[in-house]
Amino acid sequence: TQLLEQSPQFLSIQEGENLTVYCNSSSVFSSLQWYRQEPGEGPVLLVTVVTGGEVKKLKRLTFQFGDARKDSSLHITAAQPGDTGLYLCAGSSYSNSGYALNFGKGTSLLVTP
Amino acid sequence: GAVVSQHPSWVICKSGTSVKIECRSLDFQATTMFWYRQFPKQSLMLMATSNEGSKATYEQGVEKDKFLINHASLTLSTLTVTSAHPEDSSFYICSAPAGNLGRHEQFFGPGTRLTVL
Repeated sequence: TQLLEQSPQFLSIQEGENLTVYCNSSSVFSSLQWYRQEPGEGPVLLVTVVTGGEVKKLKRLTFQFGDARKDSSLHITAAQPGDTGLYLCAGSSYSNSGYALNFGKGTSLLVTP
Repeated sequence: GAVVSQHPSWVICKSGTSVKIECRSLDFQATTMFWYRQFPKQSLMLMATSNEGSKATYEQGVEKDKFLINHASLTLSTLTVTSAHPEDSSFYICSAPAGNLGRHEQFFGPGTRLTVL
């Protein structure tokens, strides 16, 4: 299993603030996904990055994949209460089971009005 | 995106009983599905890979005789927790690869909350 370190684990901020979540590994991934999960629900795919150095934007969310395809970051601009949730990064790598996702521990974000 | 459903969404059972959880791909076929377990305040842990028409592949530390997986068709995988005990209480989530397969994206079901009394 290839480990993904996510930081910070918990983040509580006020509406309007900016934040960055980091996802780091010593391993190279074929692709890396970011998911958002709300309590009692399954994760929902936000974005997939594949190319080293790739930057993707989804409204106020900016995702970046490191040049070496070992790390990624998620930046949220002007956070809103609706952004509250658990953010998970997951790296895709090939194993005996085929392509499986290795998840980071997640970042629990709370945005207060 | 692709839709994956799970049934039931929650279940409460007595210790020693077996519980079956279904995972269905609603608008696409999935030869492979994945089963995860998630404890409170923790991330998803891959339990096993379900393969249509063949045996499931279990991750290290997951008892295959306790967590029976059957991938009966291209749209259905089932996870049966046999002789459940309170420590098996958890949130069980399935996923299936879909969309651009080259990007290794997975779509997740809504999860099943299992509580063993």
